[in-house]
Amino acid sequence: DSGVTQTPKHLITATGQRVTLRCSPRSGDLSVYWYQQSLDQGLQFLIQYYNGEERAKGNILERFSAQQFPDLHSELNLSSLELGDSALYFCASSPHPTGVTGELFFGEGSRLTVL
Amino acid sequence: AQKITQTQPGMFVQEKEAVTLDCTYDTSDQSYGLFWYKQPSSGEMIFLIYQGSYDEQNATEGRYSLNFQKARKSANLVISASQLGDSAMYFCAMSGLISNFGNEKLTFGTGTRLTIIP
Repeated sequence: DSGVTQTPKHLITATGQRVTLRCSPRSGDLSVYWYQQSLDQGLQFLIQYYNGEERAKGNILERFSAQQFPDLHSELNLSSLELGDSALYFCASSPHPTGVTGELFFGEGSRLTVL
Repeated sequence: AQKITQTQPGMFVQEKEAVTLDCTYDTSDQSYGLFWYKQPSSGEMIFLIYQGSYDEQNATEGRYSLNFQKARKSANLVISASQLGDSAMYFCAMSGLISNFGNEKLTFGTGTRLTIIP
């Protein structure tokens, strides 16, 4: 158990809909990363937050947005969903504000299926 | 930009044998980290081992060791005395800068599916 909690574990929805994925980082970790794992793209970095502030963006679509709340949990919002958005979405946390020295602690992922 | 290459899409290994999973990388950063993660069929990502680019000794964690050859830009994972529970996808990853603030992200390879045969 990494200490990172993601909900829901599985989600099935239709094209055009909007979903919210939630992540609670390990106790004490201020940095949260979101990754997308799809069959054809592998693991892709989406976005990083540190103590409530956005720190870095990766290959995140404009239809996607995220935030980190004062209690440090984070939410990833996916809107106008397309079939290609079907993937496993991982949240990871780290005690480090910028670096990835050491390790990232991954949650179990949220599997999104868009029909 | 960073790039991780894992050339072995799948491997079959007899139980109790040692196995080496290949990983090569490319980066222009002077300081970086190399990681291996295990992803069993259940889907979670499990951290195995980390090597910093300035670490002179190869990292070891139990049955896992990282064979770091900086000049060759390789970071192979060695699993000794393989067990049935080692069957999983294995991802090599490296950290790299993505902003002027010093933020880093992990870039992952495409993975190697390891199957341990009884």
